[in-house]
Amino acid sequence: EAQVTQNPRYLITVTGKKLTVTCSQNMNHEYMSWYRQDPGLGLRQIYYSMNVEVTDKGDVPEGYKVSRKEKRNFPLILESPSPNQTSLYFCASSYRGQYEQYFGPGTRLTVT
Amino acid sequence: AQTVTQSQPEMSVQEAETVTLSCTYDTSESDYYLFWYKQPPSRQMILVIRQEAYKQQNATENRFSVNFQKAAKSFSLKISDSQLGDAAMYFCAYRSPLGGTYKYIFGTGTRLKVLA
Repeated sequence: EAQVTQNPRYLITVTGKKLTVTCSQNMNHEYMSWYRQDPGLGLRQIYYSMNVEVTDKGDVPEGYKVSRKEKRNFPLILESPSPNQTSLYFCASSYRGQYEQYFGPGTRLTVT
Repeated sequence: AQTVTQSQPEMSVQEAETVTLSCTYDTSESDYYLFWYKQPPSRQMILVIRQEAYKQQNATENRFSVNFQKAAKSFSLKISDSQLGDAAMYFCAYRSPLGGTYKYIFGTGTRLKVLA
């Protein structure tokens, strides 16, 4: 089954404790992206990647890191999480020549 | 920079009636894509309909259709014969042309309630 998976689905952590949210797709997509969703703000793009080893900032990259060492994986790293990073996070992927994004199920992150 | 604005935080519609959700955008690009996504309580993002800017014809998918006014930079979604399952958050989104960057801009969303 073609899908985008994210882990964990739920995470409660404390300020400053490094964490990684994994994202993996099995569709051989070139493009991958991370979004955060906050009430009243919609989805905002954090980082995106157009190929292995090629990443670029979205609209809200501060406090986040990403890497794309393999085509299928695009982890989101929070080196020192803060409470303002409490949010719902989505990973998405798509083929280079197509418009449609495939979204993962989301990760609910709470930083206390 | 591109922007997407959804000015209706919440809308209600009676079952079987028609409702229109508004979206306006701003861009200096001549070619782009516009989308409406549905997010039900399950949080899954579901593509409802898309519109290529170079196409004058409005897109239609079953009960969902758009009114695309390129000059006015307006992209509204019409849902006909509303069903209880249509209750969800709806997001308008903008994408730069294929072959360009992979940047997406989303609106703030409209929560649609369907009344039985």
